[in-house]
Amino acid sequence: EPEVTQTPSHQVTQMGQEVILRCVPISNHLYFYWYRQILGQKVEFLVSFYNNEISEKSEIFDDQFSVERPDGSNFTLKIRSTKLEDSAMYFCASSGLAKYFGPGTRLTVL
Amino acid sequence: EDQVTQSPEALRLQEGESSSLNCSYTVSGLRGLFWYRQDPGKGPEFLFTLYSAGEEKEKERLKATLTKKESFLHITAPKPEDSATYLCAVQGTTGRRALTFGSGTRLQVQP
Repeated sequence: EPEVTQTPSHQVTQMGQEVILRCVPISNHLYFYWYRQILGQKVEFLVSFYNNEISEKSEIFDDQFSVERPDGSNFTLKIRSTKLEDSAMYFCASSGLAKYFGPGTRLTVL
Repeated sequence: EDQVTQSPEALRLQEGESSSLNCSYTVSGLRGLFWYRQDPGKGPEFLFTLYSAGEEKEKERLKATLTKKESFLHITAPKPEDSATYLCAVQGTTGRRALTFGSGTRLQVQP
């Protein structure tokens, strides 16, 4: 069964540093998403991507965040200058008839 | 704004003791209601999508149903391996395509 993959599984960084989280969505899906889940809280939408551009974004997705599809398979989320409050699980999802989530990247900002 | 409320927050069952989890939702128009299972430290695992009131779907010991205001996830004769957090999410027909999640129900099934 096809699956969404994410790397790294865990990223530890210092406040103010840039991080790039990577995802390989399911190959024939058209919509890609990033969500995050702060420990003990709801899963929250960050951004969706369709046809090589952002189709919608939440109020969380400010100028510190960016997304790219650098090639035909990868989908990345960049946080330019991490803050303590960016510590969370970040999930990539891709959508065909159903939305499938990846295993997540745990981001810890010290 | 789409809203999803799940109850109870936590549920402890004995193995074999059937029960139901509730998901109440408010959405301008429903494109789909999704159920996921989430194990600690893992990503949500897709279970079901329901599209219209009256629809039901089953998978092993799980059965999801949908009305115009809520969805139920019925667990029949649960086993310890069913222990997880169950998440409900909605996608509306207007506004964003992204999912709006509830807080989940933490289910513990004791042997």
